[in-house]
Amino acid sequence: AQKVTQAQTEISVVEKEDVTLDCVYETRDTTYYLFWYKQPPSGELVFLIRRNSFDEQNEISGRYSWNFQKSTSSFNFTITASQVVDSAVYFCALSEAHGTYKYIFGTGTRLKVLA
Amino acid sequence: SQTIHQWPATLVQPVGSPLSLECTVEGTSNPNLYWYRQAAGRGLQLLFYSVGIGQISSEVPQNLSASRPQDRQFILSSKKLLLSDSGFYLCAGGEYEQYFGPGTRLTVT
Repeated sequence: AQKVTQAQTEISVVEKEDVTLDCVYETRDTTYYLFWYKQPPSGELVFLIRRNSFDEQNEISGRYSWNFQKSTSSFNFTITASQVVDSAVYFCALSEAHGTYKYIFGTGTRLKVLA
Repeated sequence: SQTIHQWPATLVQPVGSPLSLECTVEGTSNPNLYWYRQAAGRGLQLLFYSVGIGQISSEVPQNLSASRPQDRQFILSSKKLLLSDSGFYLCAGGEYEQYFGPGTRLTVT
């Protein structure tokens, strides 16, 4: 069965600190997708990244970076020099790479960045 | 990328009343469409998904139903709301990645 675990329920950091959000997944599929979403207080989920299972290159986008390691079934998300606007709930998700592309979401990590 | 429109943004309904939430998609054709519910402070629960017009799959047996009368329209309905139907409802569309609408906050009183 597929499963996504975000063990960190809530993290608080002071502005400008770096923070890493952990995501561990389980799947029997050899081909799959992994995602990260941000949910600010307004509620809408904002797409951040999609990663294919066959592409283990790390990715950097501005202050955001993602570390995908198949060997440990992890897809961690790091925010460098955090800002108050980064405060949100962050969700990791897994989907099959065919058919319905249904997501399995983690339970989310609430990040609080304090000024 | 696609844009997902949802309305209304908030809704307060009495127990036993009907419900109709509408979602439309802009910027793509024949998308997969999804309805999720999020209880306060909780994760996302997939309720329904659709891979085409008239094709609806239910993930959780409940008081709700969904329909897809047009390619880019997805409707969530209930004939009689229960208190437990309260929550934040999100529509999403896409294929490889899902794009989400702004959500509807439903309170059943």
